[in-house]
Amino acid sequence: EDKVVQSPLSLVVHEGDTVTLNCSYEVTNFRSLLWYKQEKKAPTFLFMLTSSGIEKKSGRLSSILDKKELFSILNITATQTGDSAVYLCAVDRGSQGNLIFGKGTKLSVKP
Amino acid sequence: DSGVTQTPKHLITATGQRVTLRCSPRSGDLSVYWYQQSLDQGLQFLIQYYNGEERAKGNILERFSAQQFPDLHSELNLSSLELGDSALYFCASSAQDRAKNIQYFGAGTRLSVL
Repeated sequence: EDKVVQSPLSLVVHEGDTVTLNCSYEVTNFRSLLWYKQEKKAPTFLFMLTSSGIEKKSGRLSSILDKKELFSILNITATQTGDSAVYLCAVDRGSQGNLIFGKGTKLSVKP
Repeated sequence: DSGVTQTPKHLITATGQRVTLRCSPRSGDLSVYWYQQSLDQGLQFLIQYYNGEERAKGNILERFSAQQFPDLHSELNLSSLELGDSALYFCASSAQDRAKNIQYFGAGTRLSVL
């Protein structure tokens, strides 16, 4: 059965800390891995990764994929209270279309 | 704003009732996906439509059905509602490009079954 596992499930840090969120997967027909940020309601798209070793960056957020070891990490440097959210990892299985989501990591950034 | 519109935002109803959730995808997106999010289960895929045709089914109950209309908006019908159907229901849309499948989510409909 295809699955996506995220760790830790929750994390509490202080502003300025650096955090690493983990996502491992076991799926058939892997096409890409996506990261989303969910604050109050709708998940919002952050990154899509398709190739190993290529790091995606957007400001203080970065992500890397390891297709051999079947995992991805999302790094957030110099965290701010506005980074508090649930971060979701999802895998696109190609022809089947839908995304398989992990249960998310709830990040709380304290001032 | 993702460009995906869902209505209503909140819905409160009683067990045994039937409700309809509506979704308008981003302009130009042909694929619509429905997901259910409950506290303990995370985001669970229900069903996908592509240009009016059902494309994939997930763990959708027989009491639930969906359709996509010629103008590409979609509706999710939930009938014989049970307490356990209380959840956030999300619609997402994508262009379903072969190279990438970035799904953009609406704000969701929070369903409370009392």
